[in-house]
Amino acid sequence: GAVVSQHPSRVICKSGTSVKIECRSLDFQATTMFWYRQFPKKSLMLMATSNEGSKATYEQGVEKDKFLINHASLTLSTLTVTSAHPEDSSFYICSVQTGGPYEQYFGPGTRLTVT
Amino acid sequence: AQSVTQLGSHVSVSEGALVLLRCNYSSSVPPYLFWYVQYPNQGLQLLLKYTTGATLVKGINGFEAEFKKSETSFHLTKPSAHMSDAAEYFCAVSDGNNRLAFGKGNQVVVIP
Repeated sequence: GAVVSQHPSRVICKSGTSVKIECRSLDFQATTMFWYRQFPKKSLMLMATSNEGSKATYEQGVEKDKFLINHASLTLSTLTVTSAHPEDSSFYICSVQTGGPYEQYFGPGTRLTVT
Repeated sequence: AQSVTQLGSHVSVSEGALVLLRCNYSSSVPPYLFWYVQYPNQGLQLLLKYTTGATLVKGINGFEAEFKKSETSFHLTKPSAHMSDAAEYFCAVSDGNNRLAFGKGNQVVVIP
């Protein structure tokens, strides 16, 4: 498998500011990472597929200008929530796709609270 | 599009009793199916997966699941629940393009 970390684990920001969340693959060079959003007592919703060296692929309904994804290296993908609003408060989880068929290994998640 | 249905958001089970979590899927392609477990404030950990071959799949922590194509199901079971099994469990199906669609999850509570 792959060991995936996220930073920060929790962040509180004020409405209108931007916040960056990092996802690191510690022991695997990942060409593909995924970003999910998890609402309270709800399932995970795929936001986007992050591809190293190219633009991310966003799911329908996800604002690409609001959720900026950068995958500049094989070990790091970042999600920036721009001009955050309280409705952006959520648990954001990233995952790394390894070589196995459809295998994904998940980070511990980042709890974002926008006040 | 692929989708997963998990009924019953909360499942209570007595310690030592059978754990049964139901998962039904919809897929337009031959499905790859997964069960993940999530402990509080943590990411998801893969319990087991079905890709091809044997339809009864064994995973970690004593869990197993059986793929039944005729019933479009992939139910998760464990013969004897432990206190440490208290967590949230998610069933997921792949769409053939490495993307996963998750069910809403089951919160398992183990009663001593």
